[in-house]
Amino acid sequence: GNSVTQMEGPVTLSEEAFLTINCTYTATGYPSLFWYVQYPGEGLQLLLKATKADDKGSNKGFEATYRKETTSFHLEKGSVQVSDSAVYFCALSALHSNDYKLSFGAGTTVTVRA
Amino acid sequence: DAEITQSPRHKITETGRQVTLACHQTWNHNNMFWYRQDLGHGLRLIHYSYGVQDTNKGEVSDGYSVSRSNTEDLPLTLESAASSQTSVYFCASSEGWRETDTQYFGPGTRLTVL
Repeated sequence: GNSVTQMEGPVTLSEEAFLTINCTYTATGYPSLFWYVQYPGEGLQLLLKATKADDKGSNKGFEATYRKETTSFHLEKGSVQVSDSAVYFCALSALHSNDYKLSFGAGTTVTVRA
Repeated sequence: DAEITQSPRHKITETGRQVTLACHQTWNHNNMFWYRQDLGHGLRLIHYSYGVQDTNKGEVSDGYSVSRSNTEDLPLTLESAASSQTSVYFCASSEGWRETDTQYFGPGTRLTVL
């Protein structure tokens, strides 16, 4: 079946540090890949997405590249801010039992200290 | 601005009671989804709907039901609440039925079953 594995947290960083969160997936066919972010007390919101191999999604200084050969979609940001403290979810959308469904990773909690 | 709202935001109930969680979206999206979020599991799909009068079971549908009488609302009912249903519940909607479509999430309802 379809599944997503992302690195376990929590991750604690200092402001301006480099952030990377690893995400790998298993899927049949050609899934679309997403990173969602959940700020404290809020629902999930789309951070970025990529819909085909070698696509790079980017938003708010975050980037992730769809790597079909390594089945990965790692999230990176070069210089984090305190406001980036949140839970980050990697997800894929693929055909499953005749429907397109989102499958989520377990989430990675990131805390950025000033 | 279009949005998706959930009510109540917090709910405490007792084992065996029937509980209904509301979800209302003004995106005019055909597709609506209910997820539960538990530590270590990410989000798991409970039920979903592709339009009025359409409902489908997700991966963790036991003990839950939904009905879709209009485009805007998809209430989630717990027929007889159990402690295992203590969780945070998220409603989401999307415009299309493709693997590339983004889902938009509500702020969540934290349910505690005592």
